[in-house]
Amino acid sequence: ETGVTQTPRHLVMGMTNKKSLKCEQHLGHNAMYWYKQSAKKPLELMFVYNFKEQTENNSVPSRFSPECPNSSHLFLHLHTLQPEDSALYLCASSQVDLGVSSYEQYFGPGTRLTVT
Amino acid sequence: SQQGEEDPQALSIQEGENATMNCSYKTSINNLQWYRQNSGRGLVHLILIRSNEREKHSGRLRVTLDTSKKSSSLLITASRAADTASYFCATDDRSNYKLTFGKGTLLTVNP
Repeated sequence: ETGVTQTPRHLVMGMTNKKSLKCEQHLGHNAMYWYKQSAKKPLELMFVYNFKEQTENNSVPSRFSPECPNSSHLFLHLHTLQPEDSALYLCASSQVDLGVSSYEQYFGPGTRLTVT
Repeated sequence: SQQGEEDPQALSIQEGENATMNCSYKTSINNLQWYRQNSGRGLVHLILIRSNEREKHSGRLRVTLDTSKKSSSLLITASRAADTASYFCATDDRSNYKLTFGKGTLLTVNP
C-alpha cells in the first residue's frame, strides 16, 4: 500500500444528502491534494493544502468543501451534489520543500462516488 | 490548461513485447513523472526524471526526456500481463507542489 488511506471506498448518495470523504496519510508529508477523475477526462486537481493552508482551489463548486485539520488528515465535505459529480475522488500527499522542485505524489485508492 | 498529453490513447500488445508510450507537454518544467493506475484504483508513482536528465532506468522501465521537443517516452521492456494498466505522465509547470496530468495511455498486455 502507498501509506495513504481513503474512506469510504464506495459511496452512493442522493442529491440532497450530505456526506464526507476522509483521507489520512501516514508518510509524514506536509501537502495533501484532492483530485477528481471522470471517465475520458484528465485527472482534475480540486484542492491543495500546503503546510495545512489551502493554496489551490481550481474553481471548484461550493458544494465541495475541503477541510484539513492537520497535516495528516484531509476531508472533502459534500452537499447537494449533482449527477455529473459522480466520479472517482482521489486523495494524494507529497513532501514540499521550499525552493526545491516537486517530488512524487502518493495516492490513496480513491472513493467511487455515485450521485443518484 | 492541460499540460501532458499521452500518445497513443490505447495500446494492445502480446506478453514479452516492449511497450512505448509518449508524452508531450507545453511549458517549461522542473521534472516529469510517470504514474500507473490499475482499473478503478489510485495512481502509483513509477519514475521521476528531472529537466537536466535525458534518460533514466528503473527495472524494466526506461524513460527519456527531450526538453527541446517538450516530450518524454516511457518504455516497458518484456511486458507482462500484470503490466496492464493506464499510464499517465505528469508535469510540474515549475511549481514545487502541483502536478498536471494527461489523459493517459491504456496499455493491455495479452497473455
